[in-house]
Amino acid sequence: ETGVTQTPRHLVMGMTNKKSLKCEQHLGHNAMYWYKQSAKKPLELMFVYSLEERVENNSVPSRFSPECPNSSHLFLHLHTLQPEDSALYLCASSQEMAGFNSPLHFGNGTRLTVT
Amino acid sequence: AQSVAQPEDQVNVAEGNPLTVKCTYSVSGNPYLFWYVQYPNRGLQFLLKYITGDNLVKGSYGFEAEFNKSQTSFHLKKPSALVSDSALYFCAGQTGANNLFFGTGTRLTVIP
Repeated sequence: ETGVTQTPRHLVMGMTNKKSLKCEQHLGHNAMYWYKQSAKKPLELMFVYSLEERVENNSVPSRFSPECPNSSHLFLHLHTLQPEDSALYLCASSQEMAGFNSPLHFGNGTRLTVT
Repeated sequence: AQSVAQPEDQVNVAEGNPLTVKCTYSVSGNPYLFWYVQYPNRGLQFLLKYITGDNLVKGSYGFEAEFNKSQTSFHLKKPSALVSDSALYFCAGQTGANNLFFGTGTRLTVIP
């Protein structure tokens, strides 16, 4: 039990589909994150929310749209994706903004394949 | 640009032998450094961190890391490797709030 739950674990979608990734944290944390993990690349920070306000958007294409309805839930809405968007998408949370005394807690990820 | 580098994609070590996973950093100012581990089909887990103080930091599962300012390194070590240590290890650095950056990862395989 990681304390951060992501669903679905696996997702295959066509380029014209619309789907959503869901993340829920049970740790009472105030900050939540979306990361993209591709093989042999550093983890790419996509979005950061602190107290339900978006504080970071690292030049992510508009085909990715985050939503944070409350401090426990985070969504990533996907539409008209490209094959190069296939990756492992990781959700994480921390007590406060990723600080020196506030390590990240990750979910197990959603393996996304775009066909 | 602030960054950490993990020069080895893959490290193999025999069970019972000491292991080292390398990380070097390039940051201005005082770096804050972390190690995370990712087991198969799982998310990353925090192992240990260096903020200030002792250069030798102890973490979970018997791992430790040594901060070396002159060599700008923060290598992860364990005296005796277990097969269950086989995983993907990520070094990370931070220089300010919400400025956490990761390395490319090193896959450790412990051979029985």
